[in-house]
Amino acid sequence: DIQMTQSPSTLSASVGDRVTITCRASHSIGSWLAWYQQKPGKAPKLLIYKASSLESGVPSSFSGSGSGTEFTLTISSLQPDDFATYYCQQYYSYSNFGQGTKVEIK
Amino acid sequence: EVQLLESGGDLVQPGGSLRLSCAASGFTFSSSAMSWVRQAPGKGLEWVASTSGSGDSTDYADSVKGRFTISRDNSKNTLYLQINTLGDEDTALYFCAKHGGPQVYSYFDLWGRGTLVIVSS
Repeated sequence: DIQMTQSPSTLSASVGDRVTITCRASHSIGSWLAWYQQKPGKAPKLLIYKASSLESGVPSSFSGSGSGTEFTLTISSLQPDDFATYYCQQYYSYSNFGQGTKVEIK
Repeated sequence: EVQLLESGGDLVQPGGSLRLSCAASGFTFSSSAMSWVRQAPGKGLEWVASTSGSGDSTDYADSVKGRFTISRDNSKNTLYLQINTLGDEDTALYFCAKHGGPQVYSYFDLWGRGTLVIVSS
């Protein structure tokens, strides 16, 4: 099984900050990685697929990078609507998610 | 409108069974691979099962293999999840999700709002 590990688990930041979340895979997954945003009581929302492709309608302040076993999600300038929990997902073999990173107000 | 609407969640006793449904609209359902993903209260996301657009190919997480069955009725634009021998660990919000690509393993570009399954005596 491929394990996905996100860091940090919690991140405290202010509006306007540049934020980076890391996701590491236990085995190489190529670029078969997605990122989601989830707010309390809501379904997850797709942000990035294939490691760096921005989903239609998602602000360009979100970007993804990486390949193999190490990936990052970057928010270039944190907005009030961006405070949420973020998950990575590998879909190279079966499918599974990281444990999540909660971005909270500093 | 493009949407997924889950139903069928309930309070069930341990060892019980349940069938969840997901009604799809606004896209070509029969061409879309689909999955169920669950989220236990206060926890992260867990992929549960996937099926191809035709329903011929399915796969399951090890945690549910042998107890859960994913199926679909393309004539009704509906996805199902039959859950048997429910245990406490199955208490969760169950989401259905549309795949972004045709593969059985893919990212999910459309999610429903979820249906809640609670296992308790």
